[in-house]
Amino acid sequence: QVHLVQSGAEMKKPGASVKVSCKTSGYTFTNYGITWVRQAPGQGLEWMGWINGYNAKTNYVQKFKGRVTMTTDTSTSTAYMELRSLRFDDTAVYYCARDPPGSSSLPVARFDPWGQGTLVTVSS
Amino acid sequence: DIQMTQSPSSLSASVGDRVTISCQASQDINNYLNWYQQKPGKAPKLLIYGASNLETGVPSRFSGSGSGTDFTFTISSLQPEDIATYYCQQYDNLPPTFGQGTKVEIK
Repeated sequence: QVHLVQSGAEMKKPGASVKVSCKTSGYTFTNYGITWVRQAPGQGLEWMGWINGYNAKTNYVQKFKGRVTMTTDTSTSTAYMELRSLRFDDTAVYYCARDPPGSSSLPVARFDPWGQGTLVTVSS
Repeated sequence: DIQMTQSPSSLSASVGDRVTISCQASQDINNYLNWYQQKPGKAPKLLIYGASNLETGVPSRFSGSGSGTDFTFTISSLQPEDIATYYCQQYDNLPPTFGQGTKVEIK
């Protein structure tokens, strides 16, 4: 059975960085990518970007370019998402989800399954 | 970016009712549309992909239809465990974008 287990909740000050992990099991990590989606309190879903589990190629949404870095560790089948220069409006639940590659650098964008989510709170 | 507009934003129906949610794309997305269910405090779950294909293990009371810009998600007979927010998501163009969600409640 496929599982994605994320790291625990984080509280950060504005300007700091946060790194969220997503440990996968139950499938061949390098056959899929990992997408990251966030959800602000009471709000909808926002796609942040994707990383190919095989070649670590990334595709970030323009809004986060320069502030986000997605990486993988194939030895532990774990994906990471680091967000820098945190602002109050980065407060959200951050989800990882398995996402097949449509090509070496593009996701299919079919998110299944999802991790349990990581709450990141940005507060002074 | 492609804008996805869902309607209604919320609805209340009785157990056993047929429930329909609409999703409209700002441009033609062919049939590159997914539907997700998100229960309170939980991660979303993929129900339907490619506009009309039921994900493995998903009850057959859930269905999807449409192509181009207009899509429909249907619960044929609402059950208490279907209380959730439902999202459509297009994957024709990057970035993938979601509708704003439809909250389904029991009357």
